[in-house]
Amino acid sequence: AQSVTQLDSQVPVFEEAPVELRCNYSSSVSVYLFWYVQYPNQGLQLLLKYLSGSTLVKGINGFEAEFNKSQTSFHLRKPSVHISDTAEYFCAVFGQGAQKLVFGQGTRLTINP
Amino acid sequence: DGGITQSPKYLFRKEGQNVTLSCEQNLNHDAMYWYRQDPGQGLRLIYYSQIVNDFQKGDIAEGYSVSREKKESFPLTVTSAQKNPTAFYLCASSPRGRENNEQFFGPGTRLTVL
Repeated sequence: AQSVTQLDSQVPVFEEAPVELRCNYSSSVSVYLFWYVQYPNQGLQLLLKYLSGSTLVKGINGFEAEFNKSQTSFHLRKPSVHISDTAEYFCAVFGQGAQKLVFGQGTRLTINP
Repeated sequence: DGGITQSPKYLFRKEGQNVTLSCEQNLNHDAMYWYRQDPGQGLRLIYYSQIVNDFQKGDIAEGYSVSREKKESFPLTVTSAQKNPTAFYLCASSPRGRENNEQFFGPGTRLTVL
């Protein structure tokens, strides 16, 4: 079975500052990793995904994430955030041979002017 | 435009009533999913279906039922047996039940039990 831990439930940052949202996973098999964003009262939208290959993955809206197999992490980063990045962010994992996506509890990113 | 639609956006229900949430997709996806979202708990899988006329229980199926009579549709019924049904419900689909496929989400239905 797989599990995902998002280490921060809330992250406040100032506009134009860098941000890192942390995600650790647990799995006994190879995994595929995803980051989703959810704006208030909306569904989830895919930011980026890691399937294989380069461990640095670039996504939409200037976000990127790095897969670190030895540390079982998939942290999300953005060098300079904007007010419009205020949202909840979910990390998710799909283990090879599994039948479902497992989500973390979410991190609420708040951007202060 | 292809996508997933959920209706209604807001739903109010009296205790003891069953209610059905609609989910339709025109993406020609084989797999469909229902999730429940509560504050601070992320998304929890209720039911999923990888093919028409077949579906499996997720992690919190008790008090819910589904059907998959058409590829495009995957309605969720919240029964009176669900003790705490107030939540935000999200439907998703993917091209196939393969692990490396992105899941596409609908806009959600917020259910409130009065």
